[in-house]
Amino acid sequence: DAGITQSPRHKVTETGTPVTLRCHQTENHRYMYWYRQDPGHGLRLIHYSYGVKDTDKGEVSDGYSVSRSKTEDFLLTLESATSSQTSVYFCAITRDRGFSSGNTIYFGEGSWLTVV
Amino acid sequence: KNQVEQSPQSLIILEGKNCTLQCNYTVSPFSNLRWYKQDTGRGPVSLTIMTFSENTKSNGRYTATLDADTKQSSLHITASQLSDSASYICVVIDLYGQNFVFGPGTRLSVLP
Repeated sequence: DAGITQSPRHKVTETGTPVTLRCHQTENHRYMYWYRQDPGHGLRLIHYSYGVKDTDKGEVSDGYSVSRSKTEDFLLTLESATSSQTSVYFCAITRDRGFSSGNTIYFGEGSWLTVV
Repeated sequence: KNQVEQSPQSLIILEGKNCTLQCNYTVSPFSNLRWYKQDTGRGPVSLTIMTFSENTKSNGRYTATLDADTKQSSLHITASQLSDSASYICVVIDLYGQNFVFGPGTRLSVLP
């Protein structure tokens, strides 16, 4: 298993409060991603990072921000949580951005977030 | 818009039986297609990776097929086990957009 740790694994928060999810990897992979998974939808990309302090938006980035101050850590922040952000969040890593068949996507175990 | 569709949405089979899951995609051109297994409460784990030139790829009791002309892939599970109960996700790599396009998954339940 790839060394990816997400924290917290479960969190319940109130609408309007800030929330930060952390992803920590020990694989020294350059690329890190945050996805959300909702029933009936495939995993959808929120933000990704291609290096320290280098990040870019995905298809569902509104309401989310990210930061990467070290190679091993990628933080996802919900500045003011809303009920529509109740979801399961997965961190993923790849060695590079290239999409060759040898570039495996490794996923963390997920963070369950409930906004009430 | 690049899409990946999977069928059936859910499937129940008895232990020891075989089953086939389907994946249809509109992503074009694509680089490769992957199948992932996701156990309940866990992250997805890679099962197979196929390039556009490969027709079949096996991983133990799992066999994936790919028809790039019809843009269809299937995942065949042989002699199912209780531990096969999981969601199976088809992922197609968008070559130009450099994106991973995920299907919604098929939920498989294997009963004793």
